[in-house]
Amino acid sequence: AQRVTQPEKLLSVFKGAPVELKCNYSYSGSPELFWYVQYSRQRLQLLLRHISRESIKGFTADLNKGETSFHLKKPFAQEEDSAMYYCALRLYNQGGKLIFGQGTELSVKP
Amino acid sequence: DAGVIQSPRHEVTEMGQEVTLRCKPISGHNSLFWYRQTMMRGLELLIYFNNNVPIDDSGMPEDRFSAKMPNASFSTLKIQPSEPRDSAVYFCASSLLSGGANTGELFFGEGSRLTVL
Repeated sequence: AQRVTQPEKLLSVFKGAPVELKCNYSYSGSPELFWYVQYSRQRLQLLLRHISRESIKGFTADLNKGETSFHLKKPFAQEEDSAMYYCALRLYNQGGKLIFGQGTELSVKP
Repeated sequence: DAGVIQSPRHEVTEMGQEVTLRCKPISGHNSLFWYRQTMMRGLELLIYFNNNVPIDDSGMPEDRFSAKMPNASFSTLKIQPSEPRDSAVYFCASSLLSGGANTGELFFGEGSRLTVL
């Protein structure tokens, strides 16, 4: 079955520390993965997608097909990174629908 | 463009009442999604439409839930009768179809927070 798993509900780090938000997926097809972010009092929005291979706000994510993972990383966390982060998988064989993981709340303390 | 517009932003109702949530997608988008957000289960896809046609409603919890998209600029999600376990934030999102499938970037509304007492 297709599934996105984010094992951590809450991740708390200090400002300047590295951060890694974990995401694993299960999908028999060719995966396309995304990270979405929801800052306090803002809409859920796209942060980055794996096919772009870009760094957004200092965040990067590499697709590892062997480990079926798409972890989100940032070397030095900032307080403004505090938000809810969702990993998402696009299902090509189902009209391109997007399924999400349960989300990880990142809290960056001063 | 004001983005995806949802109403109401907050709804408090009593068990057994009918609830109707509304969504206006971004103009020009032809794919629309309804998600439910809870602490326990995160973001669950309830149903989505391509070109106003329901494609997949396998996420709709039960027959009490129904969704319609009568035209490209409006969709509703209805719960009848509502139950306390339906309390959640309901998000609508729209996207652009490309080659018959959505491109993956969803634009979300601000959500409708439903509380069923």
